[in-house]
Amino acid sequence: AQSVTQPDIHITVSEGASLELRCNYSYGATPYLFWYVQSPGQGLQLLLKYFSGDTLVQGIKGFEAEFKRSQSSFNLRKPSVHWSDAAEYFCAAEGGSQGNLIFGKGTKLSVKP
Amino acid sequence: EPEVTQTPSHQVTQMGQEVILRCVPISNHLYFYWYRQILGQKVEFLVSFYNNEISEKSEIFDDQFSVERPDGSNFTLKIRSTKLEDSAMYFCASTRGGGSGTQYFGPGTRLLVL
Repeated sequence: AQSVTQPDIHITVSEGASLELRCNYSYGATPYLFWYVQSPGQGLQLLLKYFSGDTLVQGIKGFEAEFKRSQSSFNLRKPSVHWSDAAEYFCAAEGGSQGNLIFGKGTKLSVKP
Repeated sequence: EPEVTQTPSHQVTQMGQEVILRCVPISNHLYFYWYRQILGQKVEFLVSFYNNEISEKSEIFDDQFSVERPDGSNFTLKIRSTKLEDSAMYFCASTRGGGSGTQYFGPGTRLLVL
């Protein structure tokens, strides 16, 4: 069955430090992949997506992600974290013919001053 | 920038009552979705809707659930007889294209069943 795994439940980084959030997928073919962010009490905001082509995709708020087929991974990165980046981050893959998304369990990011 | 809206933002109901959660998708979008997120758990797909009919549904979406697009703008999720375990955040999403279309999510409705 298709699945998305985010191995880190909670990560704390210092403001200004670099960040990498891990995501692995299990899928028969190359899926469409997404990263969403959810701030407390808010909905899901799309950070970036990968459909095909260049394996390094740029998103909003200075985030980027790299698709690695050999590792079945789509890790999210940011070179310098800001306090406002504290939120929960969800990796998702498109799971059905109608585009429904399969989400990972999320990684909560805390930023310390 | 157009956005998906949902009402109400919060709803408290008694077990066994019917609830209707409302969504207004982005106006030129054609595919609509409901997801739910039980507190502390992952976001789960419930149902997708296209061309005025359900196109795909998960095993969560049983006979207690129904969806409707009653007019050209609203998209509703009805839970006929709520159970305690229906307490969750419910997200509506829409996209212009089904496969490979970027889904835009609403802010969610937090449903609490007592």
